[in-house]
Amino acid sequence: GAGVSQSPSNKVTEKGKDVELRCDPISGHTALYWYRQSLGQGLEFLIYFQGNSAPDKSGLPSDRFSAERTGGSVSTLTIQRTQQEDSAVYLCASRQPPGLAGQELFFGEGSRLTVL
Amino acid sequence: QKEVEQDPGPLSVPEGAIVSLNCTYSNSAFQYFMWYRQYSRKGPELLMYTYSSGNKEDGRFTAQVDKSSKYISLFIRDSQPSDSATYLCAMNFQGGSEKLVFGKGTKLTVNP
Repeated sequence: GAGVSQSPSNKVTEKGKDVELRCDPISGHTALYWYRQSLGQGLEFLIYFQGNSAPDKSGLPSDRFSAERTGGSVSTLTIQRTQQEDSAVYLCASRQPPGLAGQELFFGEGSRLTVL
Repeated sequence: QKEVEQDPGPLSVPEGAIVSLNCTYSNSAFQYFMWYRQYSRKGPELLMYTYSSGNKEDGRFTAQVDKSSKYISLFIRDSQPSDSATYLCAMNFQGGSEKLVFGKGTKLTVNP
């Protein structure tokens, strides 16, 4: 498809387990974002990748969270030793290179994580 | 104080009503302002985008920015049941981090 693809769409895990969430951005989009959306909390910025630059990790809530982007395309968000407060929808978004077509972010449908 | 404040609602209006959605912000460095619409269990999608004070109109939607008051609004005229969604304001800096800062979102229901 032409949009941002995320997998899995739903993930139920037990407290203490590690999870990996995957994002396939739109082809040609050099910027990739991860946001977290909890009930009543809006979208919380986690991490931003732009081309080959060092990622902006300023939003990662703890060292249990990490993300990588391989080959400037697919990204994986990893949460280690999951806690119940990690339960949320994790949204990935991509954007065209800076300077082109404004600031629009294209979002995937999200990965809904439930930690029991 | 959060960087971006948005009343989460919920807001319920009859079909045909004019809807006003608002956000305030604290950082005067914000230069780009956006409104995203999010349907249930979907990702947000861009609705309106502006970078200057004043009004911008697109069909039934009008985005308004008042930088002196640090206040932005989205107006929906002749609201339709299909407008029922969560509306999120978002903003970022010119020449700074590409991080987009979102409000909490306002859940709108338009009743037929």
